[in-house]
Amino acid sequence: KAGVTQTPRYLIKTRGQQVTLSCSPISGHRSVSWYQQTPGQGLQFLFEYFSETQRNKGNFPGRFSGRQFSNSRSEMNVSTLELGDSALYLCASSLVLAGYNEQFFGPGTRLTVL
Amino acid sequence: GQQLNQSPQSMFIQEGEDVSMNCTSSSIFNTWLWYKQDPGEGPVLLIALYKAGELTSNGRLTAQFGITRKDSFLNISASIPSDVGIYFCAGPRLRDDKIIFGKGTRLHILP
Repeated sequence: KAGVTQTPRYLIKTRGQQVTLSCSPISGHRSVSWYQQTPGQGLQFLFEYFSETQRNKGNFPGRFSGRQFSNSRSEMNVSTLELGDSALYLCASSLVLAGYNEQFFGPGTRLTVL
Repeated sequence: GQQLNQSPQSMFIQEGEDVSMNCTSSSIFNTWLWYKQDPGEGPVLLIALYKAGELTSNGRLTAQFGITRKDSFLNISASIPSDVGIYFCAGPRLRDDKIIFGKGTRLHILP
């Protein structure tokens, strides 16, 4: 079965713009988690959605938001982009909540903010 | 808060050598996860550990869940070129089940 897909794979934006990233989980998986990966900070948890509800949230400013649709697909939005938002954004899906089940990661969206 | 400290940060080894890396925390974990990330890809789960003292193998990989529940080890035997990548430990925090990751051990294999 198909793995986790993320679109777009690469994105270049300028400061102040906003961006929307998309994640399609593995079929049947109901949980989608988002992570930001940077060389300095490593993998940092952004949020987790399960059955269209945000179940957990990391320590990121309100500029970072997300949502999940009824088909479990998820989007992540970053508004008023800053240079420091440049990172690899990874999405992971699991059958149920991530803390109780194996997560499968997508290839990520590489965001560059100029 | 709960953090995971991985060491070493990077390793340079010869093909065929065995590799050891570890992950420690000041707080206990009930689950330890080891992931590997190849360039341009997302992390892939290698081994999951659920019980203190557990020793689990996956091919040439062996991981142990420390008896104190505050550490875990990953060993790779007879390394090969495709072992190159970043290895992360991770686990769900006790208080809210958020999965947190160590900063990774980058493995390089010298020709």
